[in-house]
Amino acid sequence: GQQLNQSPQSMFIQEGEDVSMNCTSSSIFNTWLWYKQDPGEGPVLLIALYKAGELTSNGRLTAQFGTTRKDSFLNISASIPSDVGIYFCALRPNFGNEKLTFGTGTRLTIIP
Amino acid sequence: GAVVSQHPSRVICKSGTSVKIECRSLDFQATTMFWYRQFPKQSLMLMATSNEGSKATYEQGVEKDKFLINHASLTLSTLTVTSAHPEDSSFYICSARGRRHGGGRDQPQHFGDGTRLSIL
Repeated sequence: GQQLNQSPQSMFIQEGEDVSMNCTSSSIFNTWLWYKQDPGEGPVLLIALYKAGELTSNGRLTAQFGTTRKDSFLNISASIPSDVGIYFCALRPNFGNEKLTFGTGTRLTIIP
Repeated sequence: GAVVSQHPSRVICKSGTSVKIECRSLDFQATTMFWYRQFPKQSLMLMATSNEGSKATYEQGVEKDKFLINHASLTLSTLTVTSAHPEDSSFYICSARGRRHGGGRDQPQHFGDGTRLSIL
């Protein structure tokens, strides 16, 4: 099946630092989604990307849909304690097919 | 925003027991619901897709007779883990998508808060 690799697998940063993570796929997709999952909860949608090259922001979060349509990046600026969690990218195969494939996740830890 | 409620949030039961998990869309009509399973420190894996009023579509490797899915209304889907065993212990998460009440554009998937199932 489709493989979605995220890197890094985990990050340990200090509060206030910027964060950057990425997601790569083995195939081309039309929709990239970024989710955050807090411990013991379901994932929450952060940003949705629909066009190659698209750059979208949501507060301190910025995500970009790679021009090759095989990758995406998520950046978090000036991290705060509540940013702790697991970040997943997810793909929809195509419009009209809502089945999501999730990436391997990036676990973000903020060092006090 | 759209809310998906999942119940129970946690269940602990003996091996051989059947467990039912409910997933409700609270402020929209869920034309499609999805059930995922997540093992510790792993990603979400789609188990099945459930459309209102029709049989669920299961992903490869998921036993349909073990994981019974019912999507009887536009706001409720249930997952029943039949004769559960310790290896079924996992975090089960549902998601729902559909139109808001009164029509409008389809919405992206919204996830419930999950059900942690522990089989002793």
